[in-house]
Amino acid sequence: SQQGEEDPQALSIQEGENATMNCSYKTSINNLQWYRQNSGRGLVHLILIRSNEREKHSGRLRVTLDTSKKSSSLLITASRAADTASYFCATPTGGGNKLTFGTGTQLKVEL
Amino acid sequence: ETGVTQTPRHLVMGMTNKKSLKCEQHLGHNAMYWYKQSAKKPLELMFVYSLEERVENNSVPSRFSPECPNSSHLFLHLHTLQPEDSALYLCASSSHPRSTDTQYFGPGTRLTVL
Repeated sequence: SQQGEEDPQALSIQEGENATMNCSYKTSINNLQWYRQNSGRGLVHLILIRSNEREKHSGRLRVTLDTSKKSSSLLITASRAADTASYFCATPTGGGNKLTFGTGTQLKVEL
Repeated sequence: ETGVTQTPRHLVMGMTNKKSLKCEQHLGHNAMYWYKQSAKKPLELMFVYSLEERVENNSVPSRFSPECPNSSHLFLHLHTLQPEDSALYLCASSSHPRSTDTQYFGPGTRLTVL
């Protein structure tokens, strides 16, 4: 598996439901970031959580980080059709700002 | 999304052509990046520039040649590409090349090599 691997690969839910995506990584990190990508577009930064934080909120987003399990989760509450996108976690590797992205979770929110 | 712009948005080229991708950031950032995104594969970092100096080259074939003339502009010069180079090429920038800095992405250039 790769550094920053998301699970599930695809998720389909109804509008109003919650969506949970998971990310696992291999090496020690000092932070983990989540990004969103609409089809064929650039990535948009959602949230950054540092290694000394366990949970962080931003609007309808809730991110958790468990450094002992080397995993993170992204929860989107009360999902909307506009949340349909791919979601990626990214972890720093090799020092500096070299971010390694996973293959992403494709979320589809249906009306 | 207008913080980082990329042109062209779509490009179709033959294997013998020479073309360039352009990226411009209006955010006053010091670091810029090129990524390649292929179907079913993770985003691949190609190059990192910090204050116009290349600080990362991820074993990218020489048919891809980056250029950073100033901190606001980044180019990717392409020549004698292969069909497997077809992908979405994304440019990004950040304040500094630090892992805690948010990266801001452009909309990408969809490249098709025939």
